[in-house]
Amino acid sequence: NAGVTQTPKFRILKIGQSMTLQCTQDMNHNYMYWYRQDPGMGLKLIYYSVGAGITDKGEVPNGYNVSRSTTEDFPLRLELAAPSQTSVYFCASSGPSANEKLFFGSGTQLSVL
Amino acid sequence: DAKTTQPNSMESNEEEPVHLPCNHSTISGTDYIHWYRQLPSQGPEYVIHGLTSNVNNRMASLAIAEDRKSSTLILHRATLRDAAVYYCILRGDSNYQLIWGAGTKLIIKP
Repeated sequence: NAGVTQTPKFRILKIGQSMTLQCTQDMNHNYMYWYRQDPGMGLKLIYYSVGAGITDKGEVPNGYNVSRSTTEDFPLRLELAAPSQTSVYFCASSGPSANEKLFFGSGTQLSVL
Repeated sequence: DAKTTQPNSMESNEEEPVHLPCNHSTISGTDYIHWYRQLPSQGPEYVIHGLTSNVNNRMASLAIAEDRKSSTLILHRATLRDAAVYYCILRGDSNYQLIWGAGTKLIIKP
């Protein structure tokens, strides 16, 4: 059981480039989330999805886009990368109930230079 | 959205119990209290959660105040591998925008 898998683990982008961070889960979870974490800070929600075809913005959605065509996959797209998007990105998934825990991927370290 | 307050850091000696506090005075009746921890260079991992009653699992215990405005994560016998940042968050049904503070950095001294 792999859980939540994120790729790539590390990436360096130049300003203005675009890329997609991949996230897949094998637990049949309806809820999926993308967070970013800046050094010494907590997680900030970028986007979330409550099921295939349904996505919504979190606290810090500007500069990002997502899609959810299947239950398993929830890719995060960065368009026109900026230095402010240098961060560690975590994908997570969970069941719908507040009584269910979140499962996290191991993260993607992104640097925009 | 309900917020939590935790100390920035705490120190403990190896093989001693650790009590990590969390205040959540604006908790609603249906919010579960979740604890996660983040080891260096890793994603957060689940530790424990509860609603009203104290909870135990193989990793830790969760003590919840009677008014639910605070809780305490208890590591019964800390090891060096427990050194991490511990986050206390509130999760309610239909509450997707979980608010993560900076957490408590737990330092374990050998």
